[in-house]
Amino acid sequence: EAQVTQNPRYLITVTGKKLTVTCSQNMNHEYMSWYRQDPGLGLRQIYYSMNVEVTDKGDVPEGYKVSRKEKRNFPLILESPSPNQTSLYFCASSLSGLGNEQFFGPGTRLTVL
Amino acid sequence: GQQVMQIPQYQHVQEGEDFTTYCNSSTTLSNIQWYKQRPGGHPVFLIQLVKSGEVKKQKRLTFQFGEAKKNSSLHITATQTTDVGTYFCAGSPAVGTYKYIFGTGTRLKVLA
Repeated sequence: EAQVTQNPRYLITVTGKKLTVTCSQNMNHEYMSWYRQDPGLGLRQIYYSMNVEVTDKGDVPEGYKVSRKEKRNFPLILESPSPNQTSLYFCASSLSGLGNEQFFGPGTRLTVL
Repeated sequence: GQQVMQIPQYQHVQEGEDFTTYCNSSTTLSNIQWYKQRPGGHPVFLIQLVKSGEVKKQKRLTFQFGEAKKNSSLHITATQTTDVGTYFCAGSPAVGTYKYIFGTGTRLKVLA
């Protein structure tokens, strides 16, 4: 089944404790992206990747890192999480950069205390 | 910075009534996509519009892309309870970027 998977689905952590949220897709998509969703603000793009080893900042990249070492995986790293990063995070992938539908993962609900 | 606003933020309708959400960008967009997110779910792609003035229909849903490629609308005719959810538009700024900017979303509730 074609899908985007994220892990973990739920995470409660404390300020400053490094964490990684994994994202994987099995559709051989070139474009992958991370979004955060907050009430009243819609989805905001954090980082995106056009292909392996090619990443770029979205609208809200501060406090986040990403890497794209393999085509299927696009982990999101929070080196020192803070409470303002408490949010619902979605990973998405599409066949290529623009003009293709994005397939979203199920989401990761992160709480930083 | 670049912004995409959607109105209204919320809409409650009686089942069978029509519904429209509007999406307005501060900059020209190369394309616009529409997504639906059910409560507790993830966004699901509905459609993409690329051409200026383009109109597309999917059963009871009609999508339009403005002539200036800065605004778009989604119209649902005769809403059903299955239409409940939040509708988002998402656009790519026209000049040299592969970013997506999502609208703030319109949450639709349909009363039976």
